[in-house]
Amino acid sequence: EVQLLESGGGLVQPGGSLRLSCAASGFTFRASAMSWVRQAPGKGLEWVSGISVTGDGTYYAASVKGRFTISRDNDMDTLYLQMNGLGVDDTALYYCAKDGYNLGDFFDYWGQGALVTVSS
Amino acid sequence: SSELTQDPVVSVALGQTVRITCQGDILRSFYANWYQQKPKQAPVLVLYGKNNRPSGIPDRFSGSYSGNTASLTITGAQAEDEADYYCNSRVPGVYLLVFGGGTKLTVL
Repeated sequence: EVQLLESGGGLVQPGGSLRLSCAASGFTFRASAMSWVRQAPGKGLEWVSGISVTGDGTYYAASVKGRFTISRDNDMDTLYLQMNGLGVDDTALYYCAKDGYNLGDFFDYWGQGALVTVSS
Repeated sequence: SSELTQDPVVSVALGQTVRITCQGDILRSFYANWYQQKPKQAPVLVLYGKNNRPSGIPDRFSGSYSGNTASLTITGAQAEDEADYYCNSRVPGVYLLVFGGGTKLTVL
């Protein structure tokens, strides 16, 4: 059974940083592209970032480029999202998602999300 | 434009057929994928590519395309289909993924 378990969310002040983690199991992590998708309270889904199977390809939405960094540890089956310079607009539930087939094709499995609240 | 547009609210009578649409120029280049999200739950993939259903998704869910519009059709809607539905695709020429704004489906 595929499982994606996010952690690292919490309350942070504007301008602060957080690192999210996503522990993967039930599939061959090192063979799967991965992504982060977020959902602000009461709003729709927004793709945030994606990473290739080896980690040498990383991609970002314009809204987070230069502030967020996606990475992965294929030995630990874990995906990360380092978030710096957080603003109130970054408040959201952050989902870790497994890409189907190839990076960006579709998201076939999702975690339950990690809540990030940016507030003073 | 790289946007995907969905009707915010759609309703259907129990057992009837409903079509949820997703419109955008990028759909002339890439297929749409569809996700179902129930309250307080993570999204679930219900359709991907031309018209493919993941394992476990009922065959009452199907997809089609016309020009710059992708459609998700539920034939014989059930009470458990009441949810938010999101389409997503990618922008040609760059690595950028987009989601539609979502459609709230009510089953009457």
